[in-house]
Amino acid sequence: AQTVTQSQPEMSVQEAETVTLSCTYDTSESDYYLFWYKQPPSRQMILVIRQEAYKQQNATENRFSVNFQKAAKSFSLKISDSQLGDAAMYFCAHVAGSYQLTFGKGTKLSVIP
Amino acid sequence: DTGVSQNPRHKITKRGQNVTFRCDPISEHNRLYWYRQTLGQGPEFLTYFQNEAQLEKSRLLSDRFSAERPKGSFSTLEIQRTEQGDSAMYLCASSLVQPSYNEQFFGPGTRLTVL
Repeated sequence: AQTVTQSQPEMSVQEAETVTLSCTYDTSESDYYLFWYKQPPSRQMILVIRQEAYKQQNATENRFSVNFQKAAKSFSLKISDSQLGDAAMYFCAHVAGSYQLTFGKGTKLSVIP
Repeated sequence: DTGVSQNPRHKITKRGQNVTFRCDPISEHNRLYWYRQTLGQGPEFLTYFQNEAQLEKSRLLSDRFSAERPKGSFSTLEIQRTEQGDSAMYLCASSLVQPSYNEQFFGPGTRLTVL
């Protein structure tokens, strides 16, 4: 069974600064994908970034980047130049084989003006 | 197409009543998923369809829960004899089948409160 652990229930960051959200996972699969989803208050979940396990290069999407450490089963999200609109719940998720996403408990990110 | 839609957005019901939720996926998406999210937790997988076929069900989906996707378009999730523990946000997502993995697009969810 896959598990995803987010050890930081809440984080805060000053506007324009950088913040890193942590995620570890456990899987017996060799072929899998990892994701970070953003869920703003009362709004729907959207995909922030994805990483294919077979790719060694870390994924980057504009201000969002990941640090994927496959041997350590670690998948952290770095948000650079934080903006007020980045405030949300962030969920780390894993999928392999059956396409059902396994989510962590989430990290609530606050952005301080 | 404006994305995945879910109705109703909120539902308050009394314990023991039956409730039904509807999900309309993105029109060309042939995979449809249901998740449940309780307070302070991440979403948990319930079931998914490929076209009209229900291919996988979680052990979380008790006998009181049933999901359908007639004609492979919209889907309904029914909960019979609701219990207070059923109070949660019910999320629907849809995706394409190919290539090997496709992004799941989520709807806004239906928040169920069982009194």
